[in-house]
Amino acid sequence: NAGVMQNPRHLVRRRGQEARLRCSPMKGHSHVYWYRQLPEEGLKFMVYLQKENIIDESGMPKERFSAEFPKEGPSILRIQQVVRGDSAAYFCASSPLGTVQETQYFGPGTRLLVL
Amino acid sequence: GESVGLHLPTLSVQEGDNSIINCAYSNSASDYFIWYKQESGKGPQFIIDIRSNMDKRQGQRVTVLLNKTVKHLSLQIAATQPGDSAVYFCAERGTSYDKVIFGPGTSLSVIP
Repeated sequence: NAGVMQNPRHLVRRRGQEARLRCSPMKGHSHVYWYRQLPEEGLKFMVYLQKENIIDESGMPKERFSAEFPKEGPSILRIQQVVRGDSAAYFCASSPLGTVQETQYFGPGTRLLVL
Repeated sequence: GESVGLHLPTLSVQEGDNSIINCAYSNSASDYFIWYKQESGKGPQFIIDIRSNMDKRQGQRVTVLLNKTVKHLSLQIAATQPGDSAVYFCAERGTSYDKVIFGPGTSLSVIP
């Protein structure tokens, strides 16, 4: 019974490069959420996706950030032209149906360091 | 806007004692609250939840209390153990599918 999987666990990029973070939800879950956590802070919502649909991206920066959840394969959070301020831990969570009453299960996170 | 905040950023507790972590929320429309535990280098782990139509819920060694009148949430951990050392986040969800809104976290340190 594999949980939410994220890779890579650690990612180092230089300023201006692209970062791709992957999230495979729990088996049977079709709803994925991405959160960002800065050091010593709580998690901040970024985007909510269902298969092939972005439901809520109100927490995503307007530029350089994008997310997708294709019909096949993991969800991808993509950060173009990274800057030092993008350094953070990025967590994804999944749930079966996306209803309020469901628990969101979190992955171990990807820690992005921008040099 | 919505916000969830914690009264105490750090808490040190003697092993075997009970721990109480407090949380205030400001969105009275929220109807689902969750406590997460996050150990160093790991993702948040679900501990316990409570819906707004309840004021108390118990789990294994943990109890969550909800006071909607003053918009206050607390997590009680009985007989705190070294393995309980972590950062604890309270979180809320609204009335839709909505995203989880996290508070800033309380760091619990258990003294052996």
